[in-house]
Amino acid sequence: ELKVEQNPLFLSMQEGKNYTIYCNYSTTSDRLYWYRQDPGKSLESLFVLLSNGAVKQEGRLMASLDTKARLSTLHITAAVHDLSATYFCAVDVGGSRLTFGEGTQLTVNP
Amino acid sequence: EADIYQTPRYLVIGTGKKITLECSQTMGHDKMYWYQQDPGMELHLIHYSYGVNSTEKGDLSSESTVSRIRTEHFPLTLESARPSHTSQYLCASSDPGQVGTEAFFGQGTRLTVV
Repeated sequence: ELKVEQNPLFLSMQEGKNYTIYCNYSTTSDRLYWYRQDPGKSLESLFVLLSNGAVKQEGRLMASLDTKARLSTLHITAAVHDLSATYFCAVDVGGSRLTFGEGTQLTVNP
Repeated sequence: EADIYQTPRYLVIGTGKKITLECSQTMGHDKMYWYQQDPGMELHLIHYSYGVNSTEKGDLSSESTVSRIRTEHFPLTLESARPSHTSQYLCASSDPGQVGTEAFFGQGTRLTVV
């Protein structure tokens, strides 16, 4: 059974600081996705990582994938309040079926 | 912007009632999914479909059933709702023609069974 583990699960940080969220998974996969969810809302796609060494950046967020280590990271640079949300990584287990991590609840304080 | 719609957005219903959660997409995607999410928790796949007349159960056992009579429509039905079914249900779709394309999610239905 595929397990997807994120850490930390809760992250409180100050504006302007940097931090990294980690996503470990237990089986071979070369397709990993990051989503953002605001309270009471649906999921918004952030990044699609499709190969070992893939790196993608959008604004203050950068995601990377190491398939050999079965690890993806989501790096936050100079956090701002608008980034407060829950971030999920999800691994494609085949046929575009996703197994999600537990989510990291990020709070950025002024 | 993804065009996938769920109705109702919120539903409060009594125990024993039959309910159907609607999900429609206008993107022509063959693959559709239902995920269940409890507050503050991860999503779990409960049903998926790869096309018309194709339905499969997901990783999390669910008493709900689904049907796929039309490409654009993937409703989920609970024959007899119970308080344990209280949760958020999220519908998603993806394009099988593109390798690794992400799944697009609807706004979700927040179900409360009293």
